[in-house]
Amino acid sequence: QSALTQPASVSGSPGQSITISCTGTSNDIGGYNYVSWFQQHPGKAPKLMIYDVSNRPSGVSDRFSGSKSGYTASLTISGLQAEDEADYFCISFTSSVTWVFGGGTKLTVL
Amino acid sequence: EVQLVESGGGLVKPGGSLRLSCAVSGFTFSNALMTWVRQAPGKGLEWVGRIKSKTNGGTTDYAAPVKGRFTISRDDSKNTLYLQMNSLKSEDTAVYYCATGMRSDNTWGQGTLVTVSS
Repeated sequence: QSALTQPASVSGSPGQSITISCTGTSNDIGGYNYVSWFQQHPGKAPKLMIYDVSNRPSGVSDRFSGSKSGYTASLTISGLQAEDEADYFCISFTSSVTWVFGGGTKLTVL
Repeated sequence: EVQLVESGGGLVKPGGSLRLSCAVSGFTFSNALMTWVRQAPGKGLEWVGRIKSKTNGGTTDYAAPVKGRFTISRDDSKNTLYLQMNSLKSEDTAVYYCATGMRSDNTWGQGTLVTVSS
């Protein structure tokens, strides 16, 4: 199972919106609505931001939203803030009854 | 408070074995699906495998790179998750995290470093 494809980096200014894409195949993203997104700050454990494509866990800001179209899932962060600067990883359930992560995207807040 | 605490990491030679533990508190461990995820130095996250609760069959699933070499098990009486790693390779060098499922109610430990080197 190959890793999902994410852009290596994205950037935005405070207050702006950015979108991170995560592209897979019919065997993962395209076949299931089990896509999650994690935020990871340097030296810290990952934190769940979105699950099941578009659901936010309690305590996560509503500035974070998720969606999916075909084989591509997306994470949108609106009203960008300095503390959003981190690495973001998508993950999807697969037809092999396993999970596969994306390669990760480094978000820089300019 | 929910806590997951990994232990057992360290330096091991190629071809060697190591067993990681993850002690859990703050939730009903026996009902929980548990996952191991690793992260090589400076790299992304990699899903290693999972074990379902005994109520849901207690079955395990593994990523292709570790299948046949790694074994996940659980001791519900001790609230502890295990990862037995055999035939270790240099590419297994990583921080190993235990976590609950990859969907809602997700929580992670702080990780334990495994270094495979001669």
